[in-house]
Order: sequence, then structure tokens, then C-alpha cells
Amino acid sequence: EPEVTQTPSHQVTQMGQEVILRCVPISNHLYFYWYRQILGQKVEFLVSFYNNEISEKSEIFDDQFSVERPDGSNFTLKIRSTKLEDSAMYFCASSPGQSREQYFGPGTRLTVT
Amino acid sequence: GESVGLHLPTLSVQEGDNSIINCAYSNSASDYFIWYKQESGKGPQFIIDIRSNMDKRQGQRVTVLLNKTVKHLSLQIAATQPGDSAVYFCAEREATGKLIFGQGTTLQVKP
Repeated sequence: EPEVTQTPSHQVTQMGQEVILRCVPISNHLYFYWYRQILGQKVEFLVSFYNNEISEKSEIFDDQFSVERPDGSNFTLKIRSTKLEDSAMYFCASSPGQSREQYFGPGTRLTVT
Repeated sequence: GESVGLHLPTLSVQEGDNSIINCAYSNSASDYFIWYKQESGKGPQFIIDIRSNMDKRQGQRVTVLLNKTVKHLSLQIAATQPGDSAVYFCAEREATGKLIFGQGTTLQVKP
């Protein structure tokens, strides 16, 4: 069964550093998402991406965040200058359609020290 | 504002019993309401969804009930098994595809 994959599983970085979180969505899916989950809290929407552009973004997704689909398979989330409060699990999700089920990856745990 | 939430943070049930997990929402504009299961160290896993114009939908061992009058969503799990132990989130999906998650309920299944 196809699945969403994410790398790395755990990323430790120092405050102010740039990080890139990588995702490989399911191959025939067209819609891509990033969510985050601070420890013990609910999952929060960050951004949706379709047709090589951002469809929607949340208030969390400020100028420090960017997304890219550099080739036909990868979908990345970049945080330019990490802050302590960026520490969280980051989940990538993909779906075949806007109103279809979203499939989540296993997540990347980002720890900012 | 929009808000999706669950009534109880933890639910403990005996193996074999039925479980009911509840959720209240405030945004009536969503197209779908969805239940996700999250096991430790994993991403959310889709369980079942229900369209906003329905009030009940059944899956394998799970039933979702939607009461739009009181803005209440529930997930019923029949014959709960140890493998059902996880955190359960309700979520609503807007027309844009964006998911709005509620706080989770931890289901503990006692053998």
C-alpha cells in the first residue's frame, strides 16, 4: 500500500539555523499539506499546496516558512531561522483531491535548542 | 471563531466493551467531519468520515454520529481491542481541504 514518507525522523537544530523537512507524497496525489503538532497538543494546519503554488496558509505560516516541490516526488518545508517555539512534530499529508481523504506521513520531530 | 474539541482527555475501557468518544464543534460550514487515530510516534490515521448532510455512518466496528442541532460528533467503537489504544482526534474539513483538528482523547483499553 502506498504511503507518505518523511525524512529525517528527528532533526535537532540550534536556534537561528535553517532546516528543511522533506516529504515524499503518494505518487498520484495532487494536493499536499503540512501540519504541526506541539507536544501534547492538537494537530495544527500550516499550509496547503496545489499546482505548484500555495492554496492556503495559516497564521503560523509566516515569512520564516516556505514550501517547495522541487521535482515530481519531493515536497519540502523550510524554516529559515528556527525559534525555540518551532519545536514540534511536523506532518506532511497528501490527497488525490481537495475533498478527499488526506494521508499522513509518520512525521519529523524538530527540536530547536 | 472556529473550534473543534473533545469532551474528555482520557477514556479507559475494558477489552470487549464498546467505546464512545465525543467531540463538539462550533463551525457549521464544514463539508465533512472526520475521525483520526494517532498511535504513539505515528501520524494521524484516517478512520471514518461523515458528510455534513448525514447523521450516521458505519464502518468496520466503528460508527460516527453527527448531531448538527447541538454540533456534536461521536465515534463509537464496538468490541474495543487492545490495538484500539491510541489518541483519537475529531477534525473538520473545510471546502479548501484544510483540516481543523480538535484536542485528542486518549483511549486506554484494559485487558
